[in-house]
Amino acid sequence: AQSVTQLGSHVSVSEGALVLLRCNYSSSVPPYLFWYVQYPNQGLQLLLKYTSAATLVKGINDFEAEFKKSETSFHLTKPSAHMSDAAEYFCAVSARGSQGNLIFGKGTKLSVKP
Amino acid sequence: DAGVTQSPTHLIKTRGQQVTLRCSPKSGHDTVSWYQQALGQGPQFIFQYYEEEERQRGNFPDRFSGHQFPNYSSELNVNALLLGDSALYLCASGFTGGRGYGYTFGSGTRLTVV
Repeated sequence: AQSVTQLGSHVSVSEGALVLLRCNYSSSVPPYLFWYVQYPNQGLQLLLKYTSAATLVKGINDFEAEFKKSETSFHLTKPSAHMSDAAEYFCAVSARGSQGNLIFGKGTKLSVKP
Repeated sequence: DAGVTQSPTHLIKTRGQQVTLRCSPKSGHDTVSWYQQALGQGPQFIFQYYEEEERQRGNFPDRFSGHQFPNYSSELNVNALLLGDSALYLCASGFTGGRGYGYTFGSGTRLTVV
C-alpha cells in the first residue's frame, strides 16, 4: 500500500524567503514521486518528478526536490519565493510501472507575503 | 498542441440525477484516468481506462462508471447523485510507453449537487 503525508496544511513565507514544503511517503515498492501545483479554479500542473534517476530533481520555476530513501521523504524547496508561487501544492506517489494511479497528499497551501 | 480538454467546466445537478463528464486526452496519449477532488482535499483516483477497458479502479462505488472511445477520449458517468459527489473532477492522460510518469491533467469539471 502507498500513502503520502504532507506536513503542514498551510505554509506562509515572505517574498524572497526560502520555500520548504514537506512530503513523506510510504510505499512497499520502489516509488515514483511527483509534486504538482494547483492555482485557484484550475487543474494540476506538474512541477517535477522523481523516477529513479538522480535523487535531486530540478523542476520548473526554480523548484527542486530531493529523494531521501532513508527518511522516506521528498521535500520541495525553492530558494526565493515569488508572489506568483502562492498556490496549493500536492505531493503524489505511484508504484513504478503503474499507469495513472497516483496517490495524493492532502495538499499544502502556500501563501507569500510582500 | 492541445492539452487535456474537459467539458463542461461547471455543472449543477439535483440529487438523484445522473451526470456525464467528458475528457479528450493530450495528443499522442492513450490512457485516461479520472480523479475526484473534494473541497480542501487532494485528488482521489477513481479509475483508469486503456484500450477501451477499465484497467484500475479506486475505492469508488459502482455508481461511478466510465467509457473510453476508439479515439481515446473518455466519459465519466455518475448515477444517483449524492450531495457528497460535489467536487472537482479531474481527467489525466498519459502514454503507456512513458513508463508511468507522463501524466497531464485537465482543468477539471466543477460538479455541484443540490
